[in-house]
Amino acid sequence: EIVLTQSPGTLSLSPGERATLSCRASQSVSSNYLGWYQQKPGQAPRLLIYGASSRATGIPDRFSGSGSGTDFTLTISRLEPEDSAVFYCQQYGSSPLTFGGGTKVEIK
Amino acid sequence: QVQLVQSGAEVKKPGASVKVSCKASGYTFTNYYMHWVRQAPGQGLEWMGIINPRGDGTSYAPKFQGRFTMTRDTSTSTLYTELSSLRSEDTAIYYCARAWVNDALDIWGQGTMVTVSS
Repeated sequence: EIVLTQSPGTLSLSPGERATLSCRASQSVSSNYLGWYQQKPGQAPRLLIYGASSRATGIPDRFSGSGSGTDFTLTISRLEPEDSAVFYCQQYGSSPLTFGGGTKVEIK
Repeated sequence: QVQLVQSGAEVKKPGASVKVSCKASGYTFTNYYMHWVRQAPGQGLEWMGIINPRGDGTSYAPKFQGRFTMTRDTSTSTLYTELSSLRSEDTAIYYCARAWVNDALDIWGQGTMVTVSS
């Protein structure tokens, strides 16, 4: 099973700042099948990024994904107040699919 | 529009079983794989299993093997999951989600809260 470790646990930033979230895999993720999800309180997760770097439909271009192999990054270029949420990475290249533990982004 | 609508909240006693449904609309149900993911209160996301578009193939996370079953009814575009021998640790929100082959989960249901309590 591929273990995904996300860091930091919590990120506290001001509007307009840049957020960098990390996701590290215990072994290489097949074909960079890595996704990022945003979850706000009381809501279902929403897909932001698939294939490590492709934005899902309707996702603003301030969200971007990068990385390959075992190291992946989600960047939010200019934080907006509505970006306050928990962000999860997920690998779907090998079974069982696994999620990281999440990074909480707080907006000051 | 494309959506997945899940059945309502459930309260069950330890040892009982629960069946949750997820009705798809707005797209061709038989073109997509379906997943179940759960989230215990205040915790992260946990993948449970996947079923193929025809409904004749499943794969479950090891910890759920033996007491978790996924089925799908293509005539009503509905996905089902049944979890048996419930224990308090199964208290969670259960989400269904769809995915293309070898792809991320792009549409999610609203979630179903299952509470296991004596």
